[in-house]
This record gives sequence, structure tokens and C-alpha cells, in this order.
Amino acid sequence: SQTIHQWPATLVQPVGSPLSLECTVEGTSNPNLYWYRQAAGRGLQLLFYSIGIDQISSEVPQNLSASRPQDRQFILSSKKLLLSDSGFYLCAWSPDSSSYNEQFFGPGTRLTVL
Amino acid sequence: GENVEQHPSTLSVQEGDSAVIKCTYSDSASNYFPWYKQELGKRPQLIIDIRSNVGEKKDQRIAVTLNKTAKHFSLHITETQPEDSAVYFCAASPPSGGYNKLIFGAGTRLAVHP
Repeated sequence: SQTIHQWPATLVQPVGSPLSLECTVEGTSNPNLYWYRQAAGRGLQLLFYSIGIDQISSEVPQNLSASRPQDRQFILSSKKLLLSDSGFYLCAWSPDSSSYNEQFFGPGTRLTVL
Repeated sequence: GENVEQHPSTLSVQEGDSAVIKCTYSDSASNYFPWYKQELGKRPQLIIDIRSNVGEKKDQRIAVTLNKTAKHFSLHITETQPEDSAVYFCAASPPSGGYNKLIFGAGTRLAVHP
């Protein structure tokens, strides 16, 4: 069966510091991968999606970036964090098939920028 | 692009009552409509979904209905229990080149009182 991991689970960072969040998927190959952000008490905002290694698309302009160095690894980064970057970051995966729309979420990383 | 509106934002019911959450979408080409349940501090979990070629789907106490003409779909929970208390998100999936994009509603906070 497939599992998705994220780390760290929680992170407190000062404004202006760098960021690296990691997501890995097990039990499947060539998944579609997604990064979402959820502000406190709010909905899910799609940040990035990837259909393959080094194939990243951005949904919203921001100071974040994403990379996919391996098939089942997805990384979210920032060079300088802003206060507004605080939130719950969720990685998700879906099968590489146009007939499957389901997305499955990882446990998330709760980021607080002070 | 696709836009999903969800109502109500909060819903309070007595245990045993039914709960209904409604969503509307804007892109008539959207073809997949999942519902996620998110408990406090946890990841969203897929609870039920429906595709555009089906009008209704039921799984024990939960059901989803879809009206393609009106572009709205609803989640129905019968015989609510305290453990149903959570935030529920609807989503719609517009055609997006095979990577299964989901556009989420803002969420409904459901409280079931014993």
C-alpha cells in the first residue's frame, strides 16, 4: 500500500530564515505530487504541482519554490521566510493516471514564522 | 478558472440529526467532486467522491448528490454522531492536462452536540 511522509512535523523559524520541507511517497511510482498551504482556520491553497522529476508548476506567485529531485520526493523551499508564510503545509499525491482524480494527503508540517 | 463556493461555513446540529453541506462550482467541464473531512490538527481525509456521470452515491451514513445542470453538489450525513464533528471540504476537478487538479471550497465546520 502507498504511504506519504512529511517532515518535520512542526517548525518554528524566524523571519528571513530559509526553509526546507520534505515529502516522500512509498509504494507507488511516478505519482503526481502537490504542495498545499492551509492558513489557520482557512481552506486549502494549491502552491505547486509536479507530474515528474524536475517538472514543477506554480499556482501562485510567492517567495516559495519547489523541487522534485527524485521520483517520489518533493521539496518545498524558501530563501527568506515572511510572517505570512506561517501555516499548515500539506503534501499530497495522486496516481499517474487521468482516470484517477483522488488525492491523498500527508500528515502535514505546521510552520510558525516569528 | 474553476471556483468552488461552499455553504454554510459553520453548522451545528444535535446528535442524531442530519447535516447537509452544499457546494457550487463554476467550470461545467469539471468531472470529479470529492469530499474531505479534516479533524483538528490532522490531515484531510477523503470520505466520499462522485464523478460527473453519476447523480448520487452513498456510503453508510454519508451520501453525495450532484446536479450537473445547476453545477452544484451536496454532502448529506444522516444520524450524526459526535465523532462527525470536523471541518468538511468539497472540491472540484477541472480538466487540467492529466495532473488531476483540485479546487477546494473554503470549508464547513460541523459541530455535533450530544
